[in-house]
This record gives sequence, structure tokens and C-alpha cells, in this order.
Amino acid sequence: AQKITQTQPGMFVQEKEAVTLDCTYDTSDPSYGLFWYKQPSSGEMIFLIYQGSYDQQNATEGRYSLNFQKARKSANLVISASQLGDSAMYFCAMREGKDNFNKFYFGSGTKLNVKP
Amino acid sequence: GAVVSQHPSRVICKSGTSVKIECRSLDFQATTMFWYRQFPKKSLMLMATSNEGSKATYEQGVEKDKFLINHASLTLSTLTVTSAHPEDSSFYICSARHSPRGGHTDTQYFGPGTRLTVL
Repeated sequence: AQKITQTQPGMFVQEKEAVTLDCTYDTSDPSYGLFWYKQPSSGEMIFLIYQGSYDQQNATEGRYSLNFQKARKSANLVISASQLGDSAMYFCAMREGKDNFNKFYFGSGTKLNVKP
Repeated sequence: GAVVSQHPSRVICKSGTSVKIECRSLDFQATTMFWYRQFPKKSLMLMATSNEGSKATYEQGVEKDKFLINHASLTLSTLTVTSAHPEDSSFYICSARHSPRGGHTDTQYFGPGTRLTVL
């Protein structure tokens, strides 16, 4: 089974509007971490936001927030007030377990296009 | 955030030659670094986990003799693609695990990637 599923290959959003990028995950480990990364056309992976499985509150970082629904095993990324520079690929990732050496599993990504 | 560099950013080589890619953590020490491969419009595929001072752990299906990894210091890991062939052409990205002091967030910071083209 896929560890991380991103069902939206591509999304469009109007500038200044909010957009939600979906991510669901699959794990039986009670301890895990969820991450979102942005990859612009230049290729570098930019860390956006992190949510730990035991965190009580949804993570927020500036215009990014993570809608963490543990029972549904979903970790959707919400970008508020979209900007043209937000156009990029977005990857959801998960690290299982407490061991910090554990590898990440990445979803297939969502390409976001922000329209002026 | 933490900075990870990769060199070179782009390399074109002839079939049969070897290519070395360096991954450096510039402002932190990384006992663990990861090497990924990304095909166009696809997700990142983990190739191997590089641990400082010990042998790398390769993912299933990745040829360890083909992709040599050396993690010689706490800030440097290298990936050598030996006897490269056109099918090895890809975007290779490294990442370094960063555990900030006093913080609970442990994440990977990625290098800018290396685009390898084998003619």
C-alpha cells in the first residue's frame, strides 16, 4: 500500500485566494512526522511545514497551515492568500517512528498553478 | 533554515565515465544524509541512506556497485555514478538530517539537486 497519497496531480488557484492540497497517509506506527515540501521549477526542495503525530494543534507557518485529521489519516496543506510565486510542485512526506534516522516516504506531488 | 549545497548543479558526461556528486551541509553537522533520484514530473525515489563513518544503506533495487556513496565527514557525502549510461540520466538530490538544538522538529533539508545527462 502507498504510504503517502496525493490525489491531485494538478491544481489551479486564483491569486490571493486560499487553496488546499490533499495528502493522506498510511501507517500503523503511533509515532510519525508529516512534512510538506515545495519544489519550484529550479528543482530545489524547500521545507514548508511539519506536524508530529502527537501534536495537539495543527501546525502553522506564515501563510501555510496543516489541517491534521489523525482519525482520517490526512494532512492537507492550506495555503492562504496565494501568490504567483507559490506556483510549484508540492510534496507531502512522512517519517515513521521516533528514530530520526528513519527515511521519508514521499507522495507523487501536486502541481499548483496560481493564476493572476 | 539549514543550508545544503550540491556540486555540480549540472553535468554532462559520456557513456562509460564516472561522475561524482558532492553534498555538503554548510552550517550544521549531519550524521545522516540521503540520496534521491527524481525522474521528470515524478516524485523523489530514495536511493540510499548515507551514515557518517559507516556503510550506506541502499534501497531495494539500487545497485550499490553502480552508485557508490561515501560519507567521509559530518558535512560531506558523495555519490559516484560509476560507468554511467544514458538510463542513469536523471535529477539527483541529496538531503541532510538536521536536528536543531532544543527543538523538536527534525527534518531533512535538501540540496539544490544535480542534473546528470549521460550521452
